[in-house]
Amino acid sequence: EDQVTQSPEALRLQEGESSSLNCSYTVSGLRGLFWYRQDPGKGPEFLFTLYSAGEEKEKERLKATLTKKESFLHITAPKPEDSATYLCALSGSARQLTFGSGTQLTVLP
Amino acid sequence: SQTIHQWPATLVQPVGSPLSLECTVEGTSNPNLYWYRQAAGRGLQLLFYSVGIGQISSEVPQNLSASRPQDRQFILSSKKLLLSDSGFYLCAWSTINRRAREKLFFGSGTQLSVL
Repeated sequence: EDQVTQSPEALRLQEGESSSLNCSYTVSGLRGLFWYRQDPGKGPEFLFTLYSAGEEKEKERLKATLTKKESFLHITAPKPEDSATYLCALSGSARQLTFGSGTQLTVLP
Repeated sequence: SQTIHQWPATLVQPVGSPLSLECTVEGTSNPNLYWYRQAAGRGLQLLFYSVGIGQISSEVPQNLSASRPQDRQFILSSKKLLLSDSGFYLCAWSTINRRAREKLFFGSGTQLSVL
């Protein structure tokens, strides 16, 4: 059974304080790992897809990386507008995506 | 470009009342369509998905149902709401990517409160 665990559940950073969010997974046959950003009361917004270990994707202050067991979302010099819940999701042996419960990021000015 | 519309944004309904949430997609044809529910502080739970008109797959047994009367229209319904039906409901669409099973695009969601 595909499983996804995100940590930490919540993270508070000062503006400019870089950090990483973790998404650990178990899967038999990874098809893709997805990162989404979700603002309060809104639907998730697609950020990245990673397909194989060693792959990296970047967008502004965000960088996603993938190993055979986990994915990291690195946030460099975050700003208050980066505050959101970040979700990772797995496409594997299950017919549909398996979502983690998310990391709620708060960036303080 | 593709857009997805979901309404209403918020809904307060008494227990035992019916429900109808609607979702439409523009700018693409024959999309896969999905209904998810998100409880506070938890991940997304897939409720229904559809690969074509009239084709509905249910992932979780419950008192909800879904219908796809048109290619780009997806409806979530209930005849009698329960308190446990409260939550944030999200519609999503995708096209099949050969390298990955699904890349989902979500609507803005409906916050349903059953009182």
